[in-house]
Amino acid sequence: TQLLEQSPQFLSIQEGENLTVYCNSSSVFSSLQWYRQEPGEGPVLLVTVVTGGEVKKLKRLTFQFGDARKDSSLHITAAQPGDTGLYLCAGAPNNAGNMLTFGGGTRLMVKP
Amino acid sequence: ETGVTQSPTHLIKTRGQQVTLRCSSQSGHNTVSWYQQALGQGPQFIFQYYREEENGRGNFPPRFSGLQFPNYSSELNVNALELDDSALYLCASSLYSGGSTDTQYFGPGTRLTVL
Repeated sequence: TQLLEQSPQFLSIQEGENLTVYCNSSSVFSSLQWYRQEPGEGPVLLVTVVTGGEVKKLKRLTFQFGDARKDSSLHITAAQPGDTGLYLCAGAPNNAGNMLTFGGGTRLMVKP
Repeated sequence: ETGVTQSPTHLIKTRGQQVTLRCSSQSGHNTVSWYQQALGQGPQFIFQYYREEENGRGNFPPRFSGLQFPNYSSELNVNALELDDSALYLCASSLYSGGSTDTQYFGPGTRLTVL
């Protein structure tokens, strides 16, 4: 069983601060995805990273896939209250198509 | 183009009962995956259906079963409900290519409470 560990579990910061969320595993994944989930809704895909060492930017969000494709990070610059939510990483194990293994999630609260 | 829809939104059952949850895929999608999300945790993969056949299964007992219909809608059935089955059940549809990057679109989920 491939596991993904996310840290921290909870994060409460002030508007304008930077933060980084980590997603780690001892297993290799074909690809890794980051989702954001709001209360009462399903997860919404933010980004997919495929290549080891890959870095993708989405406005103030920067995603990185580890060289060995076992870990990833999400960095948010100048966080805003609208960034509040549950952030989930999810890996696609080798030869398992898009049947995803999710991390436990990081609940982020950005205070104005 | 309609998104993924799930019904019912909320459901309360008692231990030992059976439940059926429903999911309508996004238009044009032929694959449905089901996930269980316990309170405060990330989703766990239950199984995936492609062209009406089970395409893969996570670590869930046989009392969790599913169906996919010719219109690609899907059902999740859970027999002999246990208290630990209380969770948000998410379905996600995608267009199958066999690749790990096939994007999944999630529905809003069904909140199941087992008393």
